Amino acid sequence: GNSVTQMEGPVTLSEEAFLTINCTYTATGYPSLFWYVQYPGEGLQLLLKATKADDKGSNKGFEATYRKETTSFHLEKGSVQVSDSAVYFCALTRGGGNKLTFGTGTQLKVEL
Amino acid sequence: SAVISQKPSRDICQRGTSLTIQCQVDSQVTMMFWYRQQPGQSLTLIATANQGSEATYESGFVIDKFPISRPNLTFSTLTVSNMSPEDSSIYLCSAPGRGPYNEQFFGPGTRLTVL
Repeated sequence: GNSVTQMEGPVTLSEEAFLTINCTYTATGYPSLFWYVQYPGEGLQLLLKATKADDKGSNKGFEATYRKETTSFHLEKGSVQVSDSAVYFCALTRGGGNKLTFGTGTQLKVEL
Repeated sequence: SAVISQKPSRDICQRGTSLTIQCQVDSQVTMMFWYRQQPGQSLTLIATANQGSEATYESGFVIDKFPISRPNLTFSTLTVSNMSPEDSSIYLCSAPGRGPYNEQFFGPGTRLTVL
């Protein structure tokens, strides 16, 4: 079946540091890949997506590239802010039906 | 994108009672989804709510515990029945966007605490 593996958190960074959150997946064929963000006390927001190999999703300074050869979709940001503190979820969907398979989530804390 | 609202946003309930959560989408969608997020955990799909047919439940979830209604293409309800403290979670509904890329959009969630 489908699965998503994320690096464990919490990840604590200083403001303006570089961020990488690793995500790898297992799925047959070509899944669509997503990063969702959950700010404290809120629901999930779609951060970015990629639907085929070598696609780069980007939004709000975050980027992730769909790497078929390494089955990865790592999230990066060049300079994090305190306001980026949240839980980040990597997810995939495969085939029809739109059902999402989520990773365990990675909590990011950004300090001044 | 799809705009999704949920009611209630939070509730505190007594053991043995039931709570019905409502989910409204701003456009017509064929499928809606209900997820559970236990404290500090990731999201687990409970069921897919199909308009005009019974919901499809994932392994570990049963209709008697989580009955779902889908009366039209913009609305669904999830009932958490005969609640116990283990049901304390955030319950989220989602629906696909209008684009071709299978992205889903989520409601703000219902935070349920069972005493």
